[in-house]
Amino acid sequence: NAGVTQTPKFQVLKTGQSMTLQCAQDMNHEYMSWYRQDPGMGLRLIHYSVGAGITDQGEVPNGYNVSRSTTEDFPLRLLSAAPSQTSVYFCASQKAGAANYGYTFGSGTRLTVV
Amino acid sequence: KQEVTQIPAALSVPEGENLVLNCSFTDSAIYNLQWFRQDPGKGLTSLLLIQSSQREQTSGRLNASLDKSSGRSTLYIAASQPGDSATYLCAVNLEDTGNQFYFGTGTSLTVIP
Repeated sequence: NAGVTQTPKFQVLKTGQSMTLQCAQDMNHEYMSWYRQDPGMGLRLIHYSVGAGITDQGEVPNGYNVSRSTTEDFPLRLLSAAPSQTSVYFCASQKAGAANYGYTFGSGTRLTVV
Repeated sequence: KQEVTQIPAALSVPEGENLVLNCSFTDSAIYNLQWFRQDPGKGLTSLLLIQSSQREQTSGRLNASLDKSSGRSTLYIAASQPGDSATYLCAVNLEDTGNQFYFGTGTSLTVIP
């Protein structure tokens, strides 16, 4: 099915561990983004990309890295996990031409850092 | 920085009622505004997208309006059903931030059978 696929769905990490959250879309969307969702704070943008080879920081980028080597994939790397990174992470994609198109979201990754 | 506010934070209504959810934003220079539905433990499902040049969009029992000059949008749900119970989020896309959307914290809706 066409859409945005995130893996894994659940993950528990120990403080200091690293991991990569995977995101893939098969809609040939130019734009991809990573958000985190925390209770009472809404969704906040971590990093985004407007095309292969181009990434930029969002509102809360510290502790996270991204790369965009292909149009389809946009992995999010946690370099050294901290308890403050416990959250639900969502990947989203959007076709270029922002006025006419909205976001399509993945189903999320629930991350717990202990 | 764009601030997006949704009121009320929670709403409980009996089945069959019509209801209105509110969204306000501080920067009126938007590309579009999108309403989402989120079920517990799930991702976000897009409901309606209103472009900045539009005043409303309709899909089934849902109608979303946009007043850019006053920084407000409403989501109207007609003849509510228990299956409408979810959290509803609005998000605005600013003209000068590419594809970055700013989200409200949502309205949690419970429709009582």
